[in-house]
Amino acid sequence: NAGVTQTPKFQVLKTGQSMTLQCAQDMNHNSMYWYRQDPGMGLRLIYYSASEGTTDKGEVPNGYNVSRLNKREFSLRLESAAPSQTSVYFCASSGQQTGGDEQFFGPGTRLTVL
Amino acid sequence: GQSLEQPSEVTAVEGAIVQINCTYQTSGFYGLSWYQQHDGGAPTFLSYNALDGLEETGRFSSFLSRSDSYGYLLLQELQMKDSASYFCAVRNTGRRALTFGSGTRLQVQP
Repeated sequence: NAGVTQTPKFQVLKTGQSMTLQCAQDMNHNSMYWYRQDPGMGLRLIYYSASEGTTDKGEVPNGYNVSRLNKREFSLRLESAAPSQTSVYFCASSGQQTGGDEQFFGPGTRLTVL
Repeated sequence: GQSLEQPSEVTAVEGAIVQINCTYQTSGFYGLSWYQQHDGGAPTFLSYNALDGLEETGRFSSFLSRSDSYGYLLLQELQMKDSASYFCAVRNTGRRALTFGSGTRLQVQP
């Protein structure tokens, strides 16, 4: 099992460009999450999907959109990138048994917006 | 809203014991989790407390006092590989999403 996978691993964008970060999990988890982590800081929740077909805003949703494509995949889209969105983006998933407390994280996408 | 406080840095020597504290303010508290993150890596789950008391997993233990809105992570027999950042996180009742603290950077010295 690959666990949680993310693509791409690195990305450089110019201000105003758009891109989609992809995330997939093969653990049959119901819930998936997108976080951002700025240098020296904790993780801040952008959006999450408690189950297939549902999405909810987290702490810092502005400038982002998400799509829960199916149970396995949860994508994050930046429509018009800004330098303030330079960060490391982590996708995570959790199963029904642990209720969201034990989350499994992907390796992250390191995004720089110039 | 929710807020968590933990020390920004802790230094200890190999073989020692270190305690990383976490205090939280939240409505509808459900449980306290701990995650480890090595530089350049992804966070990994360490432990979870929903009830008061101590949970032990090998060299790591986690404690929770719901009445004091306080918990800690205890690392025993420190090894160089334990040098990492440690995050506490809380989940509110009815939500699956976690709110993370800003992290404690642990440096283990020889």
